Amino acid sequence: DVKVTQSSRYLVKRTGEKVFLECVQDMDHENMFWYRQDPGLGLRLIYFSYDVKMKEKGDIPEGYSVSREKKERFSLILESASTNQTSMYLCASIVTGQGGEAFFGQGTRLTVV
Amino acid sequence: KNQVEQSPQSLIILEGKNCTLQCNYTVSPFSNLRWYKQDTGRGPVSLTIMTFSENTKSNGRYTATLDADTKQSSLHITASQLSDSASYICVVSASDQAGTALIFGKGTTLSVSS
Repeated sequence: DVKVTQSSRYLVKRTGEKVFLECVQDMDHENMFWYRQDPGLGLRLIYFSYDVKMKEKGDIPEGYSVSREKKERFSLILESASTNQTSMYLCASIVTGQGGEAFFGQGTRLTVV
Repeated sequence: KNQVEQSPQSLIILEGKNCTLQCNYTVSPFSNLRWYKQDTGRGPVSLTIMTFSENTKSNGRYTATLDADTKQSSLHITASQLSDSASYICVVSASDQAGTALIFGKGTTLSVSS
């Protein structure tokens, strides 16, 4: 089974802190994505990566950056956390071919105070 | 603009009853449509995949339909159980030479009560 692991289930950070959310997948997938999920808004794409050291902006990249130094690891960085970044963050690893199934991590609920 | 619309936004049913969730999409070029189930506090998990040529597909008590002409899909849940309480997300995949994009609906929150 594909496993996508996010480093934390719950995080509480202070405004202005730099925050790192880590995601690791164990199936050698090339495509990895970061989403945030908010009530009434669904999943929104922040950043994605099709390969190591490659990154592309999604729909809402402002205030975020990413790092992909190794194929299995995709990190989301909040440069200076703000209260409007309080959200559920979901990492996904997606198979090209096989219908593009997305395998999600368990999510990180981030609260910025 | 590629869009996926789901209805209803939320639904409450009694245990043992059936229900149907709807998904309408305007996505091009269409590759496939998936229904995901997301339990509270968890990441979404794929239930079914529908390709252009498929009309109906079942996964246990879950039956998905696809009408590619009207660009509509439904997810029918039979004999609901308390464990069916979750959010159900419709996701349409658009693929071309540039790559694959996933377009998410906002989900339907289903509550099954005893």
